[in-house]
Amino acid sequence: SAVISQKPSRDICQRGTSLTIQCQVDSQVTMMFWYRQQPGQSLTLIATANQGSEATYESGFVIDKFPISRPNLTFSTLTVSNMSPEDSSIYLCSAAWTATYEQYFGPGTRLTVT
Amino acid sequence: TQLLEQSPQFLSIQEGENLTVYCNSSSVFSSLQWYRQEPGEGPVLLVTVVTGGEVKKLKRLTFQFGDARKDSSLHITAAQPGDTGLYLCAGESNFGNEKLTFGTGTRLTIIP
Repeated sequence: SAVISQKPSRDICQRGTSLTIQCQVDSQVTMMFWYRQQPGQSLTLIATANQGSEATYESGFVIDKFPISRPNLTFSTLTVSNMSPEDSSIYLCSAAWTATYEQYFGPGTRLTVT
Repeated sequence: TQLLEQSPQFLSIQEGENLTVYCNSSSVFSSLQWYRQEPGEGPVLLVTVVTGGEVKKLKRLTFQFGDARKDSSLHITAAQPGDTGLYLCAGESNFGNEKLTFGTGTRLTIIP
C-alpha cells in the first residue's frame, strides 16, 4: 500500500479563478489518477496522469479545463481552471502499481466555488 | 460505456442485523474491487476478486464475484456502527489497465 497526501484539503474560490491541487505519494508508483466526486456519490474519473507525457482524459474532460502535471513517479498536480460553481466538488487522486490492480486514494480536496 | 449499478442506494439497519449489497453490470470485468469511504476521507480498498465464482471473507464481510464476472455482492454479518460508510464497487475491464469503473454507491448506516 501507499500513503497519499493532498493539498489543500479544502478551499473556497471565486468563479473565474484557478486552483492547483497537489498529490504526493510516499513511494514510486506506476499509475496516478484524478477523480471527481459529489458528496455522498460515486467517483468519476477525470484523467490518468502519465509520467513524462500528457495526461489521458476521459470523455467530458479536457486539458484546457483540467491541466495535469506528473513530473515524477511520486507527484502529480491537477488544476481546475476558470472555475464556475459547477466545479464545486471533491477531487481525489489515487495511485496504483502495474503489478496489481488496486488503487489507493488520497483524502480528497473539497472545493467550493462561489 | 460500462455501468455498475449498486443496490440498494441507501440502507439503514440496526446493529447486529445482516445485510447484502449488490453490484451489477451487463459488462464483463477482469477484476472487481470493493471500497469503503468515510466522510472526509478517500475510499479504502477492502478486497479484490478476480476469478468468476470467487468468494472472499474478511472477518464479518463476505465478498462474491459472479460466475460470469458481471456482478458481485458484499454480505455483512452482525453489522456494527463501525461499518457505516459509503460502499463502492469498482470494476477493471482490461487486465492490467488499472482504470476502474466505479459503481453508483451504497450508503450504509448502522444504528446502535
